[in-house]
Amino acid sequence: EVQLVESGGDLVQPGGSLRLSCAASGFTFSQSWMVWVRQAPGKGLEWVASIEGDGSDKYHVDSVKGRFTISRDNTKNSLFLQMISLRVEDTAVYFCATDRGYDTFDHWGQGTLVTVSS
Amino acid sequence: QSALTQPRSVSGSPGQSVTIFCTGTSSDVGGYNYVSWYQQHPGKAPKLMIYDVTKRPSGVPDRFSGSKSGNTASLTIFGLQAEDEADYYCCSFVGKFGGGTKLTVL
Repeated sequence: EVQLVESGGDLVQPGGSLRLSCAASGFTFSQSWMVWVRQAPGKGLEWVASIEGDGSDKYHVDSVKGRFTISRDNTKNSLFLQMISLRVEDTAVYFCATDRGYDTFDHWGQGTLVTVSS
Repeated sequence: QSALTQPRSVSGSPGQSVTIFCTGTSSDVGGYNYVSWYQQHPGKAPKLMIYDVTKRPSGVPDRFSGSKSGNTASLTIFGLQAEDEADYYCCSFVGKFGGGTKLTVL
């Protein structure tokens, strides 16, 4: 059974930093594209970043480029999202998910809440 | 990067059918046969219901059906059940989501 468990969400001040983690199990992690998708309170879903199985290819939505970095450690079956220069508008639940191809997200974690506020 | 356009809400009675539309452009919905649909209950993670426009993952009831015409994709739910009440999101290749549609079962 595929399991994705996010952690690392917290309350942080504007301009602060945070690192999210996603622990994966139940599938061949190193061969799977992985993504981060976020959802602001009461709002819709927004794709944030994607990373190829071996970590060689990465993509980020324009609004986080230069501030967020997706990465992975295939030896630990873990996905990460390093976030710096956080803004109030980054407040959201952050989900990690598997991408079966062509931006089709077939397994999701339960999410971790990031709150950016002074 | 504009989101895909979905109606904010739809409703139907148990046993009826409802269709949710998702409108994009030739650069997203119309350009690829890679539209997916997600169901999300309050406080829960999204669940993949339809992918590649028309395909259902294992375990998804065949009451859920997807299609596409031009730049508009659609999700039809036949024989509405109470548990179908949720938010539904479309998504196209290039990682673009719709704004979401709240389905109410009357």
